[in-house]
Amino acid sequence: AAGVIQSPRHLIKEKRETATLKCYPIPRHDTVYWYQQGPGQDPQFLISFYEKMQSDKGSIPDRFSAQQFSDYHSELNMSSLELGDSALYFCASSLRGGRARYGYEQFFGPGTRLTVL
Amino acid sequence: AQTVTQSQPEMSVQEAETVTLSCTYDTSESNYYLFWYKQPPSRQMILVIRQEAYKQQNATENRFSVNFQKAAKSFSLKISDSQLGDTAMYFCAFLTPQGGSEKLVFGKGTKLTVNP
Repeated sequence: AAGVIQSPRHLIKEKRETATLKCYPIPRHDTVYWYQQGPGQDPQFLISFYEKMQSDKGSIPDRFSAQQFSDYHSELNMSSLELGDSALYFCASSLRGGRARYGYEQFFGPGTRLTVL
Repeated sequence: AQTVTQSQPEMSVQEAETVTLSCTYDTSESNYYLFWYKQPPSRQMILVIRQEAYKQQNATENRFSVNFQKAAKSFSLKISDSQLGDTAMYFCAFLTPQGGSEKLVFGKGTKLTVNP
């Protein structure tokens, strides 16, 4: 079965540079979530999109922006990178219409490991 | 705001034995879902088991089962016949669909080591 695809898997950037992370949800899934997991930490919710509209926003810095495109893939744009942005960034997807079967389950991608030097 | 607490930062168990991981949560919502996710060294987030708050019956998935105590706001995970492959971080997570958010709120995690 198709899973959530994230690219790149690893990314190394310098301070003050810009990074773009991409997420391709499971086909037919209409909702995308972004989470940030720092070293030794639990995942923290950043932002979510449903049908290409932002549905919720968490502790996402103003330097970060995201969007969901017409093909449902999503991109997380990160500017003026700081050392503290080094983390594992997860994308997850779900199907709102599939509640009876999936019970709000979110399917996680493998993550993008961002290292800021 | 919802909070999830895992009071055991680390645990260890011998192969083939049973271990229970604790999780408590705090919420004023009546409609919510609880999950246990496993994160092995590969860092992939893998769903282990889920529980709907409106269901009284405890969820089970093969060797994994939960003890859901709604009044006590407790959601523990029992792993039976532990295997070496169960070694991982385990995160308890909470989700409420109220307000259209549906974000997962995670606990700090429990690092489980299964010893041969």
